Amino acid sequence: DGGITQSPKYLFRKEGQNVTLSCEQNLNHDAMYWYRQDPGQGLRLIYYSQIVNDFQKGDIAEGYSVSREKKESFPLTVTSAQKNPTAFYLCASSTPGTEKETQYFGPGTRLLVL
Amino acid sequence: AQSVTQPDIHITVSEGASLELRCNYSYGATPYLFWYVQSPGQGLQLLLKYFSGDTLVQGIKGFEAEFKRSQSSFNLRKPSVHWSDAAEYFCAVDGAGTYKYIFGTGTRLKVLA
Repeated sequence: DGGITQSPKYLFRKEGQNVTLSCEQNLNHDAMYWYRQDPGQGLRLIYYSQIVNDFQKGDIAEGYSVSREKKESFPLTVTSAQKNPTAFYLCASSTPGTEKETQYFGPGTRLLVL
Repeated sequence: AQSVTQPDIHITVSEGASLELRCNYSYGATPYLFWYVQSPGQGLQLLLKYFSGDTLVQGIKGFEAEFKRSQSSFNLRKPSVHWSDAAEYFCAVDGAGTYKYIFGTGTRLKVLA
């Protein structure tokens, strides 16, 4: 079955530690996205990538980094510079252009700070 | 700037009752509009979408939504709610070609047996 997988489901970060969240899709989508979800705030865009080896900052990119070396993969690193990383992180993908411009979401990773 | 407003943070309905969740958007042209549903601890599932054409769109799980340009609204409806519909619902707008969705803050639906 085609879909988006995110791992791990839960992730614990210690102070000063960088952690990486995995996102993989087998939908052959060109674009991938990372969102952060906090209670009462909806979803906010962290980074997005339209094609391999290219990505752009979203609305809340500070303290995060990404790479897009393969079409299928878009890992997100939460760096020690992100002072409030506790949140639910959602990855999505799409193929932009008319009716195909629909984002499909993975199951999410919950990041907690120890 | 684009924005999406979901005025109701929480809604409670009895099972079998009808449901309408409100969504208002701000955008200069006709946007692409979406409704997603999220169960606790899960990702978002697409319920329906509007790009163009017929302003009444049908989605999965018996949901429908109507695009009203004059009111800048895209309200979600269901004629008879089931207990399994209890979840959080998000409206989103995409300025065509921007690759960026703007999400509302969500409406949490509680269903009474």
